[in-house]
Formats: sequence, C-alpha cells, structure tokens
Amino acid sequence: GAVVSQHPSWVICKSGTSVKIECRSLDFQATTMFWYRQFPKQSLMLMATSNEGSKATYEQGVEKDKFLINHASLTLSTLTVTSAHPEDSSFYICSARPRGLADAKNIQYFGAGTRLSVL
Amino acid sequence: RKEVEQDPGPFNVPEGATVAFNCTYSNSASQSFFWYRQDCRKEPKLLMSVYSSGNEDGRFTAQLNRASQYISLLIRDSKLSDSATYLCVVYEIPNQAGTALIFGKGTTLSVSS
Repeated sequence: GAVVSQHPSWVICKSGTSVKIECRSLDFQATTMFWYRQFPKQSLMLMATSNEGSKATYEQGVEKDKFLINHASLTLSTLTVTSAHPEDSSFYICSARPRGLADAKNIQYFGAGTRLSVL
Repeated sequence: RKEVEQDPGPFNVPEGATVAFNCTYSNSASQSFFWYRQDCRKEPKLLMSVYSSGNEDGRFTAQLNRASQYISLLIRDSKLSDSATYLCVVYEIPNQAGTALIFGKGTTLSVSS
C-alpha cells in the first residue's frame, strides 16, 4: 500500500526556535500534500494544501509566514514552524494524495504525525 | 467551511456487542464520505469509504443518507482491538485550488472483556 513517511515523529524545542517537518511519499508521486494540526481531543484541522511547484494554499486563520510550506518535488513537502511558541505545541500530520485511482476516489494517505512540544 | 459533527462518546461496550456511530455534515455539496480510525497518538487510517447504497466490510457496515446528510457506522461482534477513535470524514472542494478532507472530532470506542 501507499506509504507516507513523516519525520521527525517527536520534537521538543525551546520557544523562539524553528522546526522543520518532512513529509515524503515513499512509493508513489503526490501532486498534492496536506498539512493538518490536531490539538488534544480535537479533530484534525487542515492548515494548508501544498501543490508541487506552486505556493501553498493556507486555510483561514493560518499564518503563512509562520508556517512555511515547501513542496519542491512530487515526493517531498516540508512544513517549517518558525519562531515556535508554546501555543504551537500540537500534533502535526501530513497526508498525500496519489495520482491515479486513489486520486479519483479522493483518498489521502497519512504520515505518522509529528508531536511538537515547545517549552 | 461547514462542520462535521459526531457524538464524542465514549462508548464503552463489552466484547461481542454491536455498536453504532452517527455523524452529520452540514455542507450539502460534500462529495465523498469516509470513516477513519485513529488510535491514541497515531495517524488516522482509512477504515472504509461510505456509499449511498451502503457498504459492508466484514463486521463493519457504513450507510449514507444524502437527503438527511447523515452517515453511520455499525460494528458487529466488537473486539478488544476495535477500541479506538472513529473519525467521520467528508470530502469537499474548497473555493481555492486543491481538495480537502473535513474531519469530525471523532467518537471514542472502548471495548472491554
């Protein structure tokens, strides 16, 4: 099956530092990748949609200058949380939408998530 | 963006029980529907798609009522391993390029022996 690798799985950092999270599709090409954030006991909230070779589309209320997204290739998207603060502590999950059949069925495959703790 | 609503539970049931989860969505233009399963501190995993004709996968049955904007998931003969949070997910096309899955907050199921 389609595999999405997300790295790192857990990050602890000091307030004010930047953190980069990578999302890779290992055995398929993903023209579109998605970044979600999930706070405890809350639903996954879409932060942004990342299309290869173009600027990401951010959801309302998500600061594009704080959450930098780069989708440089068909298998890699990165999310950088700049100047992280304790309120940014959350579970960040990426997903990828493959070309072909899964694309038509609107299926996304998820990475294992990154738990960010900002001290 | 409109919402997807679920009863958060928790649903505490014994092994072998039948349990049903409900979900409503508010955007009548929603196109596709899914149930995902999420274990604690893990990523969501697709359990099954939901079709208007209803569909079954082993002990799991999903139903969609477009007129009522209502989705259900029935689990028969519950197993301990079914304990998880079940997410109702709706696929929409936002008003910008790209597509998005809208997640409910999830319904927690705890199956005990």
